[in-house]
Parts: sequence; C-alpha cells; structure tokens
Amino acid sequence: DTGVSQDPRHKITKRGQNVTFRCDPISEHNRLYWYRQTLGQGPEFLTYFQNEAQLEKSRLLSDRFSAERPKGSFSTLEIQRTEQGDSAMYLCATRRGGSSQETQYFGPGTRLLVL
Amino acid sequence: AQSVTQLDSQVPVFEEAPVELRCNYSSSVSVYLFWYVQYPNQGLQLLLKYLSGSTLVKGINGFEAEFNKSQTSFHLRKPSVHISDTAEYFCAVSEGLIPGGTSYGKLTFGQGTILTVHP
Repeated sequence: DTGVSQDPRHKITKRGQNVTFRCDPISEHNRLYWYRQTLGQGPEFLTYFQNEAQLEKSRLLSDRFSAERPKGSFSTLEIQRTEQGDSAMYLCATRRGGSSQETQYFGPGTRLLVL
Repeated sequence: AQSVTQLDSQVPVFEEAPVELRCNYSSSVSVYLFWYVQYPNQGLQLLLKYLSGSTLVKGINGFEAEFNKSQTSFHLRKPSVHISDTAEYFCAVSEGLIPGGTSYGKLTFGQGTILTVHP
C-alpha cells in the first residue's frame, strides 16, 4: 500500500454512460498525475496537477474527459459518453513538490469496462 | 519527445537463475530513468531510479540497473531470482532538468516485460 487510494477499484458501465473516478493522494503530495493503461501496454500520461492547477493535458484526453482537483487534495476524473475504447485501467500517481526527481507513488488503479 | 522500448515482452526464467530485462530510450534532452514493478491487480511500485552520478543503481528486492548513455540503455538485472519476482516490469523516463525549462515530471513508459519465474 503506497498511501495513494483510488475509488472505485472496478467499474462496469454501458456505452454512453458517464463515470467518475476519485484519487486521494498522500497528504503532503501536491503534485498529481493521471495515467491510462490498456491491456498489454505501459501506462500513458493523461494529465497533471500542481495543487489545484491543471498544468498539462495529453492529446489522449479528449473533450469527453475532464479532471479536477478542486482544493488541491483529492482529484476526480470524469468520462462522459463512455465508449468501448475507454476500457482500461486508470492510474493515479502523486509526489511531493520540488524537482521531478521526486518519486511518483501510484494508487491501485480503477479498472473500467465499457460494455 | 521521449520514447521507451522494452526489448522483451516476456522473459521466462528458472528460480535462482540470473535475469536481465532490457530497456532502451530515446530523448533529445537529459532524462531521469526508472524501473517500476506491477503485481497482478495492483498499482506500480518503484524498484529503482537513476537521476545522476554513479551509473550503477541499486534498488529494492536485490535488483540493480546500469545507465549507459552512449547506448541509451537502462537494463535491469538480478543475480538470482525468486518465485515472488514474478510480475510485470516497466521501464520509464521523465525529462531531466534543463536550463529555463519546465519539467512536470510526467513519465513515459515502455510496453512492459512479464517476468515469469519457474520453480
């Protein structure tokens, strides 16, 4: 257990539905990342928060995806109008501030299956 | 832009044998290098990282890796594996510090290598 928690751990939904995932970071970590991992692949970067500011977004993050970190603590990732191609493991990682040398600690992930 | 290639998708090995998992990267700037391990249905756990200095880096669980700048490689090794080392291993890079640059530290991962240790 790294101290980063994600909820839910598993989500099954029907195509077209909206889903929301939550990530709770280690308390002193003010940097937060979302990654997506599809079967047989390594994780791919989606977006980055420094405190409550979303500073970087990947081209993978289509307009159906939105992420927030309202008070610089927990973060949510919402997918609207889900598609079967959204089926993946969604990972959250957090680290302390300062240099990017700091280790990213990963949560256990939310596995999404879109039927 | 950076990229990472893990040269072997699967590596089977017998218990107590040595193992090497290969990783090559491509980047136009300096990088930091990482190896993560992922056990089934779990998130990723850091094994070791190279930031600067000595090119031989020691990590947890008896793993080590060597940074080779000329060959742009960061291979992971363990002299004697155990059944419990069975997992998927990911090599990753992030952009290093560059003058005047902004590095947010996002990781670029390879495709992963599944290490299976047989008794």
